[in-house]
Amino acid sequence: QVQLQESGPGLVKPSGTLSLTCAVSGGSISSNWWSWVRQSPGKGLEWMGEIYHSGSTNYNPSLKSRVTISVDMSKNQFSLRLTSVTAADTAVYYCVRHSNWFDPWGQGTLVTVSS
Amino acid sequence: DIVMTQSPDSLAVSLGERATITCKSSQSVLYSSNNKNYLGWYQQKPGQPPKLLIHGASTRESGVPDRFSGSGSGTEFTLTISSLQAEDVAVYYCQQYYSSPWTFGQGSKVEIK
Repeated sequence: QVQLQESGPGLVKPSGTLSLTCAVSGGSISSNWWSWVRQSPGKGLEWMGEIYHSGSTNYNPSLKSRVTISVDMSKNQFSLRLTSVTAADTAVYYCVRHSNWFDPWGQGTLVTVSS
Repeated sequence: DIVMTQSPDSLAVSLGERATITCKSSQSVLYSSNNKNYLGWYQQKPGQPPKLLIHGASTRESGVPDRFSGSGSGTEFTLTISSLQAEDVAVYYCQQYYSSPWTFGQGSKVEIK
């Protein structure tokens, strides 16, 4: 059974760069697309972007200029990088497998943007 | 972008009663080549990630109780909980995976009356 686990700093300074990693266990990352979805406090779900094991990416146009997603096949993990963050980027960040629908999801990690 | 609009934003239902949530998409999510609706429903309990309940608008994920059912096609969809249980208190989201960017409804909160 595939499981995902996010990791990374829980606090990022304004104008800084948010970096998170998602470790995939119980299955290979060499199939399906792998996405990042975030949820601002008390708000809904926003898809940020995704990556295929080949390295092909697909980003939400609303974030495209600030988001980079990469994959490390040797470690069976993929990563998110979000630049020029503001308080509006404070959210719980989830990694999730995208095989048409989104399943399974990681537990999520809260990232707060604050000085 | 396909906009997903759910109604109501919240509802309170008595235990054992029916709960119904509607989701409308701004354009059809029915893929004509295979006649499948690219629409999923997710349940999110406090402090937990979303959990897939239904895909293809009406196919229950393995392990999901049969009191949960999905229906609809094209642009209008419904999630029904036939007999609400205490453990069903959650926020429910619909999501289209027809075209990128993949988008979610704003969520519908189900509570006990």
